[in-house]
Amino acid sequence: GENVEQHPSTLSVQEGDSAVIKCTYSDSASNYFPWYKQELGKRPQLIIDIRSNVGEKKDQRIAVTLNKTAKHFSLHITETQPEDSAVYFCAASNGGGSYIPTFGRGTSLIVHP
Amino acid sequence: DGGITQSPKYLFRKEGQNVTLSCEQNLNHDAMYWYRQDPGQGLRLIYYSQIVNDFQKGDIAEGYSVSREKKESFPLTVTSAQKNPTAFYLCASKLDPGRDIQYFGAGTRLSVL
Repeated sequence: GENVEQHPSTLSVQEGDSAVIKCTYSDSASNYFPWYKQELGKRPQLIIDIRSNVGEKKDQRIAVTLNKTAKHFSLHITETQPEDSAVYFCAASNGGGSYIPTFGRGTSLIVHP
Repeated sequence: DGGITQSPKYLFRKEGQNVTLSCEQNLNHDAMYWYRQDPGQGLRLIYYSQIVNDFQKGDIAEGYSVSREKKESFPLTVTSAQKNPTAFYLCASKLDPGRDIQYFGAGTRLSVL
């Protein structure tokens, strides 16, 4: 089955800095890679996703890059703000059919004002 | 916070007791999922269901049971066989077929008395 590794487990940055979270996956058949943000005590919410037919996707201060050859994808947050503080999860799946994503263990991002 | 509702928000279980966590969605989604979240463990799949009256075990189904008698509802029972039930439980749903986005409930925190 799929295995997703996520690093780092904790990331501490100063407000205004950039943050990068990296994930690797094992199943070359995986073709859909979502990222979720979970604020303390709240539900995970999708913030950005990417399919295997593109290498990069941006949405304002957030971007995701995908390297299919190396089987890794990354979340990039620029100009971090204190409200970006949360746990971020990556996931990988073979979209279509039975949609069963495999999640990474999460990264706790702390943005210091 | 409409769409997918979990109740109760907090639940306490006595030793030897079965408890049921409720998950209801009004999104007309076909697929529903139950995840267990422990610190540093990410989201681990307990059970999932793609259609009414059908469900499959996930990675950590032992000690849990589910039913899917209605499209809107996917309750999870934590049985007395689950020896370490203390965790945060998340329910999710997804339109199937459709864009591969899961929508999560706000979660139930289960503790053992």
